[in-house]
Amino acid sequence: GDSVTQTEGLVTLTEGLPVMLNCTYQTIYSNPFLFWYVQHLNESPRLLLKSFTDNKRTEHQGFHATLHKSSSSFHLQKSSAQLSDSALYYCALGDYNQGKLIFGQGTKLSIKP
Amino acid sequence: GGIITQTPKFLIGQEGQKLTLKCQQNFNHDTMYWYRQDSGKGLRLIYYSITENDLQKGDLSEGYDASREKKSSFSLTVTSAQKNEMAVFLCASSILGGSAETLYFGSGTRLTVL
Repeated sequence: GDSVTQTEGLVTLTEGLPVMLNCTYQTIYSNPFLFWYVQHLNESPRLLLKSFTDNKRTEHQGFHATLHKSSSSFHLQKSSAQLSDSALYYCALGDYNQGKLIFGQGTKLSIKP
Repeated sequence: GGIITQTPKFLIGQEGQKLTLKCQQNFNHDTMYWYRQDSGKGLRLIYYSITENDLQKGDLSEGYDASREKKSSFSLTVTSAQKNEMAVFLCASSILGGSAETLYFGSGTRLTVL
């Protein structure tokens, strides 16, 4: 069945360093939608960015990701981490023909001064 | 804009008790979802509903019932609470069915079972 893998449970970085959170997926559908949701402490998850176009960079709030269907990946990146980026990040897989979104296990990003 | 309201925010129950969580949305969205959030396990889908009176099981539906009597509301029942269970239950909605749409989440109900 469909699945999403986020290999890191916790990523700890110093402020100012680049961020990369990994996300790979498996699906039988040829037109998947990939999402990144962010959840700050004591808040609910909200959409950070999404894409369904192969090899096109999507950006929002300083973060970016590119869907690569050849490698089934949708890694989240940012050039310079800020303290306010500390949060839980979920990668998710969807499709127009499916009623349910599949979430990865989440990566906790902790930024230190 | 709209809002998703979940009640109660905190729910404490006893082992074996039947517990009900409620969710209301004023987005006028068609589809509503219940997710369970456990540390290190991500968001797991319990039930979803693509329209009034529709119910679809998710991966974690055993031990739960759901009800969608109105477009704006979706309730979840824990049929028999398990001792030492602790989790956050998140309600969400999206404008249409199909998982290509953006989900909007409520603030959650935190369950503790004594």
